[in-house]
Amino acid sequence: SQQGEEDPQALSIQEGENATMNCSYKTSINNLQWYRQNSGRGLVHLILIRSNEREKHSGRLRVTLDTSKKSSSLLITASRAADTASYFCATDEEDSWGKLQFGAGTQVVVTP
Amino acid sequence: DAGVIQSPRHEVTEMGQEVTLRCKPISGHDYLFWYRQTMMRGLELLIYFNNNVPIDDSGMPEDRFSAKMPNASFSTLKIQPSEPRDSAVYFCASNMALSNQPQHFGDGTRLSIL
Repeated sequence: SQQGEEDPQALSIQEGENATMNCSYKTSINNLQWYRQNSGRGLVHLILIRSNEREKHSGRLRVTLDTSKKSSSLLITASRAADTASYFCATDEEDSWGKLQFGAGTQVVVTP
Repeated sequence: DAGVIQSPRHEVTEMGQEVTLRCKPISGHDYLFWYRQTMMRGLELLIYFNNNVPIDDSGMPEDRFSAKMPNASFSTLKIQPSEPRDSAVYFCASNMALSNQPQHFGDGTRLSIL
């Protein structure tokens, strides 16, 4: 069963704009991870944020985590056509011994 | 540094045939995962290994599916006999430790059962 639920399911923006997607989950977690998947390829890890962290940055990516609301957001700033991909959140639940539960993903299209 | 390598990239076979998917994890990674991705069910964990030992196979759909890891650099996922509903993309992933570590994915095997 899927733990995380991403919102929106799909997002279409123009180059240079920011893209924000959200992930909600149901149980207590050790960490939450974001992955990107380009068409026909495997998932690529973007950021891992631990349960005691509130915000993390990596290049043009910014991730926030609100454990009280059981939600996370991924912000991509100054988007590029190469950012076109599906983005997944994955939760490492407290009692799952490191097994990840993936959401259904947000499909992002960035047009030049 | 080579990533996770899966073969074949595509497999088309007829119902009832045996299918074997292969995976070479990243050297030094102690954990290996097999996932299945479909439009309907998303990404599902099938089984994972630690130091070549299967730890949790609760995601394996039925007895037709089996997985082995004979050594640290090779794993197989076998489906016998295959059915059309097994059509999906199968991913292998590996990481260094189970918790608080990212998983590294291969590019998957796209399996079509006719």
